[in-house]
Order: sequence, then C-alpha cells, then structure tokens
Amino acid sequence: DGGITQSPKYLFRKEGQNVTLSCEQNLNHDAMYWYRQDPGQGLRLIYYSQIVNDFQKGDIAEGYSVSREKKESFPLTVTSAQKNPTAFYLCASSATSEYGYTFGSGTRLTVV
Amino acid sequence: GENVEQHPSTLSVQEGDSAVIKCTYSDSASNYFPWYKQELGKRPQLIIDIRSNVGEKKDQRIAVTLNKTAKHFSLHITETQPEDSAVYFCAARYNTDKLIFGTGTRLQVFP
Repeated sequence: DGGITQSPKYLFRKEGQNVTLSCEQNLNHDAMYWYRQDPGQGLRLIYYSQIVNDFQKGDIAEGYSVSREKKESFPLTVTSAQKNPTAFYLCASSATSEYGYTFGSGTRLTVV
Repeated sequence: GENVEQHPSTLSVQEGDSAVIKCTYSDSASNYFPWYKQELGKRPQLIIDIRSNVGEKKDQRIAVTLNKTAKHFSLHITETQPEDSAVYFCAARYNTDKLIFGTGTRLQVFP
C-alpha cells in the first residue's frame, strides 16, 4: 500500500453500531485525510489533520469522528448518527513540504 | 468558495485516439494541480501534477496544461490504450493544505 495501510478492507455494520476504520502511515507525513466515495461519485472530504492532536472538519463531517494522537495514525469512527454510511472510505497522507497525496487501499463499509 | 468542476463525466474513445479532460477551479490562489487515476475498486494513484509556475508538463503519453488566467487545467492522453480505461480525477490544492477534487471522468478506451 505504498506506506499507508487501511484496515479492514471490508467492514459490515449493523444498525445503531459504531465502527472504527484504521489508517496507519510510515511515510513520516504530517497531514492525513479521510475521504468518502460513493458509487459513481467523486471524493468528499470528511476530516483532515495537519498536525498531531489537531484536526478539522471537512465537507461531510456529520456522523463521523476522528482522533490524531500519533503522527502515524488517524482512525475514523463512523457513529450511529451517520444514517447512510455505506460507501468506500479512503485515507490519504501528505508531507507539508510536498503537495501530493498518497492514498491507502480503502475500506468498503456496508450496513447490514 | 472552493470548487473544482470537471468535464466530461464520461468519455469514450477508440484505441489510439487522444482523450482530453478539462477542469476549472474557483480560487486564484490555488498553486498545485494533480491528476489521479482510479481503477475499479482500487485506490486513486497520482499520474501527473503541475504547479502554478509552469504552463505545461509531459510524461510519455500524458500531459497536463494550466491556464492560470482562465483558471482551468486539462489532462491530455495520447495514443490511448485499453489499460487507460479508468476514472480520472483532477484536484486543486488550496492554502489550507487540502485538495479539492473534481467529480471524476470515466474514460473507456475501446479496442
């Protein structure tokens, strides 16, 4: 996965359940991002973090929460407040001195 | 506000023909413009990028052009091959260190 690992690859959530998606990077990147992708659609920003212990809401943060306790890790929790969580979730990272993103391989979340 | 428009949403070409995808951005302060290729069920991968101090950049069959005055940039793929079939996303980086993505173009190359 080019230095950024997402797990699990597939995740199933029951109604009313919180689930956490893992994202770990060993690229020494300062910034990390979570995007949601729905079938046939683009990438929408959920949350992002530029430094440890700090993060900002993206365009669709409602129903999601994050933490950034370590530089290498940026887990995303999909809470029961997110009513339509079925989607493909992509984590990415970038170095502040550079411009490009490196993406993880994604987690496909399905509500059952 | 921050916005990137991408056209067309789908594009079908014959193998060997050229393909062009265009994007328009809203913030004149944008300084970095990457293009990503995403195959079905896979992660987006960076294929080429351009910074605001450059007007054109080429990498084999792929080129990107930037018109800062008009605030648009384009991806050009020449001599297309079936393996070029994928969804392509443009993006623009704003001062807040985040990328804003276009809605994607599904390119189909027919043999």
